Formats: sequence, structure tokens, C-alpha cells
Amino acid sequence: GAVVSQHPSRVICKSGTSVKIECRSLDFQATTMFWYRQFPKKSLMLMATSNEGSKATYEQGVEKDKFLINHASLTLSTLTVTSAHPEDSSFYICSARDLGTGNNEQFFGPGTRLTVL
Amino acid sequence: LAKTTQPISMDSYEGQEVNITCSHNNIATNDYITWYQQFPSQGPRFIIQGYKTKVTNEVASLFIPADRKSSTLSLPRVSLSDTAVYYCLVGAYSSASKIIFGSGTRLSIRP
Repeated sequence: GAVVSQHPSRVICKSGTSVKIECRSLDFQATTMFWYRQFPKKSLMLMATSNEGSKATYEQGVEKDKFLINHASLTLSTLTVTSAHPEDSSFYICSARDLGTGNNEQFFGPGTRLTVL
Repeated sequence: LAKTTQPISMDSYEGQEVNITCSHNNIATNDYITWYQQFPSQGPRFIIQGYKTKVTNEVASLFIPADRKSSTLSLPRVSLSDTAVYYCLVGAYSSASKIIFGSGTRLSIRP
């Protein structure tokens, strides 16, 4: 199946710094990617929909100025957590659909563990 | 977006068949039903998808009644490695259609 990668897999940063997470579709093009956040023992929470060549669509309660999303190409979306604080520590997961497969399968990245000290 | 309801947790033993049922009373005509598996600190992994009746692949079966208001994921002869969280998702076939995760079912398999 199609592969979605994320980089880095884990990152530790100091409070107040910004962190960029990359999400790549390795063998397919994705006009739309999705960013999720997951806290321990909780379900995935959709943060935003990343649209290639246009602004991201954020879910209610997600600050767009804090979680900057850029989808500059058909295979790359980035999520930047600006001025990170300890409460931003979480597991961030991206996903994308490969319409070329002919089904509705959404491929997820392996996730990025962010720890803010 | 159709909301899904699943049991919070289930326990079973190795070698047993496990059935996890999901309710989605407000499913729309163009919605598909998809099940994902997630291990700790990993992204969800696709298990199976269906629209109606029964779908079977090498790892699971998916049973969908005629009214499509529920679905049942069937895992045959589970092993310890099947211990994971299983999510039932309902959504339309479109690259832009977002999928909202429910609480999922935490399945624990014992020896």
C-alpha cells in the first residue's frame, strides 16, 4: 500500500521554541492531508485539513496561528508548532488518501512524539 | 459526519474469534465503513473497508447489515499481537472528506 512518512519521529524542545513536523506521501500524490493530535490513551483528534496550494482548514478550537500548516507540494505538508509549551506535548499524526487505489483507504504516518520541556 | 459508537474495551483469549460491533445510526448514503488498528506510539493501520453486506480479506471480515446502521469487525483466531485499539470510521470517498475518530475499542488478548 501507499506509504506516508513523518519526520522527525520524536522531538524534545524547550518551552517557547518552534518545532516543524514534516509529512510526506512517498509514492503517491496527495492534494489533501490531515493532521491529528493524540494524547495518551485517547483517540486521535483531527486538528486541520491541509490543502495543497491553499490555506489549511482548522477544526474548531485549534489555533491556526499556533499550529501553522503549509502544503507546498503534492507530496509534502508541514505542521509547525509555534512557541511550544508543555501542554503541546503530544503524539502528532498525519494522513493522506491515495485516490489512485480506487478505494477509500486513508494512509497514516508513523507519528511524531513531541515533548516540550 | 456520522458518529460512531463502539465498546470502550474488550478482552479475549488467544485462538478465539473476536467480534467488535460499531453503531453508526446516521450513516449517509455515500459513506463507507472503515476499520483501523492502532498499536501504542504508531499511526493507525488500515484493516478493512466495506459499503454493504460482507467483506473479507486475509486478516478480518466485516459484516454490514442491510440498513448499514451498524457493522461488525470479526477477527478470526486472535493472537497476543492483536492487542491494540480498533477504530470504526465512517466517511465518504473523497480526498477532502475528513474522518473523525471515535473513542475506539481497546482489545486485550490474553494467553
